[in-house]
Amino acid sequence: RKEVEQDPGPFNVPEGATVAFNCTYSNSASQSFFWYRQDCRKEPKLLMSVYSSGNEDGRFTAQLNRASQYISLLIRDSKLSDSATYLCVVIPDSSYKLIFGSGTRLLVRP
Amino acid sequence: DTGVSQDPRHKITKRGQNVTFRCDPISEHNRLYWYRQTLGQGPEFLTYFQNEAQLEKSRLLSDRFSAERPKGSFSTLEIQRTEQGDSAMYLCASNPEGFRGYTFGSGTRLTVV
Repeated sequence: RKEVEQDPGPFNVPEGATVAFNCTYSNSASQSFFWYRQDCRKEPKLLMSVYSSGNEDGRFTAQLNRASQYISLLIRDSKLSDSATYLCVVIPDSSYKLIFGSGTRLLVRP
Repeated sequence: DTGVSQDPRHKITKRGQNVTFRCDPISEHNRLYWYRQTLGQGPEFLTYFQNEAQLEKSRLLSDRFSAERPKGSFSTLEIQRTEQGDSAMYLCASNPEGFRGYTFGSGTRLTVV
């Protein structure tokens, strides 16, 4: 079983739609969680951290469910520029290395 | 440019050749990481340094791979006797100790023909 699992998509949605991505992780001791965004042939860039209480950054909302070992990302009012791959990332408790999921590809169409 | 710098951006090499990549982290960052990313996958951890000490190596890092950070500043990743399966994007990242946010470089895309 992979340490971090994501639905690869692609999710093909119209502009203005709301879309949600899910991710599960296997290490129950994991303490730090992130969503990264990666554009085609570019490096990953931090989108947002994920906190237990849930957090919001503009149109983006991240949620963490520790009991189910589940992380989500909600994007409201999708823009064409949101088209990218979204990577779910976990740091295991005793390590500083990032463990990435395979990514979920989002395509926002006009 | 005060970001993480990687050189070269692209490398095409023949199978069996040796290649070396360089990473210059952000100057005040004492932790440096190497990742490898293949098409359709997320980045996979290869190794990391704290200053000049290599603290962890992944099982992905076979005997043909070696990484160094001799003075705790820039790092090199060498692949000996390249194979077609080594074709990937090699990403370098850095962060200061105690901080879990990374800054990634633009990567070196290796193609082995």
